[in-house]
Amino acid sequence: LAKTTQPISMDSYEGQEVNITCSHNNIATNDYITWYQQFPSQGPRFIIQGYKTKVTNEVASLFIPADRKSSTLSLPRVSLSDTAVYYCLETGGATNKLIFGTGTLLAVQP
Amino acid sequence: DTEVTQTPKHLVMGMTNKKSLKCEQHMGHRAMYWYKQKAKKPPELMFVYSYEKLSINESVPSRFSPECPNSSLLNLHLHALQPEDSALYLCASSQDRGRYEQYFGPGTRLTVT
Repeated sequence: LAKTTQPISMDSYEGQEVNITCSHNNIATNDYITWYQQFPSQGPRFIIQGYKTKVTNEVASLFIPADRKSSTLSLPRVSLSDTAVYYCLETGGATNKLIFGTGTLLAVQP
Repeated sequence: DTEVTQTPKHLVMGMTNKKSLKCEQHMGHRAMYWYKQKAKKPPELMFVYSYEKLSINESVPSRFSPECPNSSLLNLHLHALQPEDSALYLCASSQDRGRYEQYFGPGTRLTVT
């Protein structure tokens, strides 16, 4: 059973900033928040991970408020190639089980 | 080398056949995983191997039999599958268990006829 909640789909246009928000209502103290991207017929790909506050890498930023009940993945200036499904997950503990929720299908249009 | 390879890319098998899926990584990762993904659904965890030992079996039917011959290889042996087992089978690896990033292979598209 998925532990996170996120929108089923989002639409955007090339060059826009896209923010995808995820709910983590029962996140465990030791869990991190991790986002993966998946293109059709490919395996998921790690995007970014954080515990709280803000994390930035070369492709995205991750914002996590102090209560850690939500997270926001920010993709700056999206392109058509960013069209994919984006999954937020709670990761950690001894098992490293990845429990994928429904994901958000981001459709970027020209 | 940050690649996880899977063979074959596509597999069609009858319900009485026996086949195997293979997964390989050379990143020195000590945890390896099998996932199953149906069309338009999220990946579902099947098995986790840690240091070449099976640590998690998510109540997968016995017609799926995993094997980890060494730290770089992971197999999934298939026998007497059903048409509803048709799916994309994904292999992944990570440095260790815990919150480490998982690297996924491209998957094997399995069709059971």
